[in-house]
Amino acid sequence: GIQVEQSPPDLILQEGANSTLRCNFSDSVNNLQWFHQNPWGQLINLFYIPSGTKQNGRLSATTVATERYSLLYISSSQTTDSGVYFCFLFGNEKLTFGTGTRLTIIP
Amino acid sequence: DAGVTQSPTHLIKTRGQHVTLRCSPISGHKSVSWYQQVLGQGPQFIFQYYEKEERGRGNFPDRFSARQFPNYSSELNVNALLLGDSALYLCASKLSVYTGELFFGEGSRLTVL
Repeated sequence: GIQVEQSPPDLILQEGANSTLRCNFSDSVNNLQWFHQNPWGQLINLFYIPSGTKQNGRLSATTVATERYSLLYISSSQTTDSGVYFCFLFGNEKLTFGTGTRLTIIP
Repeated sequence: DAGVTQSPTHLIKTRGQHVTLRCSPISGHKSVSWYQQVLGQGPQFIFQYYEKEERGRGNFPDRFSARQFPNYSSELNVNALLLGDSALYLCASKLSVYTGELFFGEGSRLTVL
């Protein structure tokens, strides 16, 4: 099956810092999403981004499908940004989460 | 509009028992998928259903089964529970199996004693 690797696995930052999270995948897929999982386990949709660039407030994402990677940018981090970030790839019958990046924002 | 709803939110079972988890998709969504998330790990895909037919299966034993009903709601069944089945079970829905953004419910947290 498709392999989805995220880096870095862990990231600790001071409040106000910027960060870039990366998602590499081994095969072409039809769809890609980024999620933030909060401490209660809820998966919150950040971006549906099979290709191109999108921005939503302090967050933006870019997917380069031909080179099989996606990037999530977080600017001016806040403590509420803490949690685990997953990229998620899905085709018609293949649905795979990435390995995740655990982000901790220190006040 | 209601999001994806799952029930029960928490439950405790003992080894060897059977469990049924339920999921109602967002109105208009015809595809439902299930995931298992063990503590400290990422979610793992279990099943996908579309128009009441199975459209994808992850690497889980036959003790796991699911079905989708005419109203597009879904059930996940797990037989002969093991301690290792303790996990957060997540359900997601989207418009069709071919495309569309996925939306997740809040999950059912299963503890097997």
